[in-house]
Amino acid sequence: AQKITQTQPGMFVQEKEAVTLDCTYDTSDQSYGLFWYKQPSSGEMIFLIYQGSYDEQNATEGRYSLNFQKARKSANLVISASQLGDSAMYFCAMREGGESAALIFGKGTTLSVSS
Amino acid sequence: NAGVTQTPKFQVLKTGQSMTLQCAQDMNHNSMYWYRQDPGMGLRLIYYSASEGTTDKGEVPNGYNVSRLNKREFSLRLESAAPSQTSVYFCASSDVQGYTGELFFGEGSRLTVL
Repeated sequence: AQKITQTQPGMFVQEKEAVTLDCTYDTSDQSYGLFWYKQPSSGEMIFLIYQGSYDEQNATEGRYSLNFQKARKSANLVISASQLGDSAMYFCAMREGGESAALIFGKGTTLSVSS
Repeated sequence: NAGVTQTPKFQVLKTGQSMTLQCAQDMNHNSMYWYRQDPGMGLRLIYYSASEGTTDKGEVPNGYNVSRLNKREFSLRLESAAPSQTSVYFCASSDVQGYTGELFFGEGSRLTVL
């Protein structure tokens, strides 16, 4: 079973609209961290936002917020007031327990913002 | 402000050739990683090093070896390249504190195996 599932291969939104990118995860750990990254067409990986499993408040970073629903094991990324520069691939990732501290990534969602 | 530096950025190999991807970070991070990215597959972990002197296999280690040369450097070696190893390779490092500590990525290395 996939650890991180992003069910939307592609999403389309108009400028200034809000958009939600879905992410569900699978873990039996009580402690874990959830991350979102952006990958523009230039290829670099840009960290956007982090949510810890024990954080009671949803994380926010500027126009990005993470809608964390622990019981549903979902960690959706919300982008408010989309901009053309938001067009990119977005990856959800999780860090579970153990010494590896590696991130497990989902397959990504391509977001296209139009004017 | 170098961050994570990978070399080379592009490489074309013939089947059976060997090569090493170099990675260095200047952020004094303990943990370093190698991922590969293939279309529709996201990023998959090849190997990681939680600290200097340790390395462990990730999800897709077959056909690769790694060396954590020192705290700064983590190299990935393909001993006998295969077309299935055509991919974009990312090195990353992290200052892990519990479950926090985002990964800082290099710019990626695009490898083509003919």
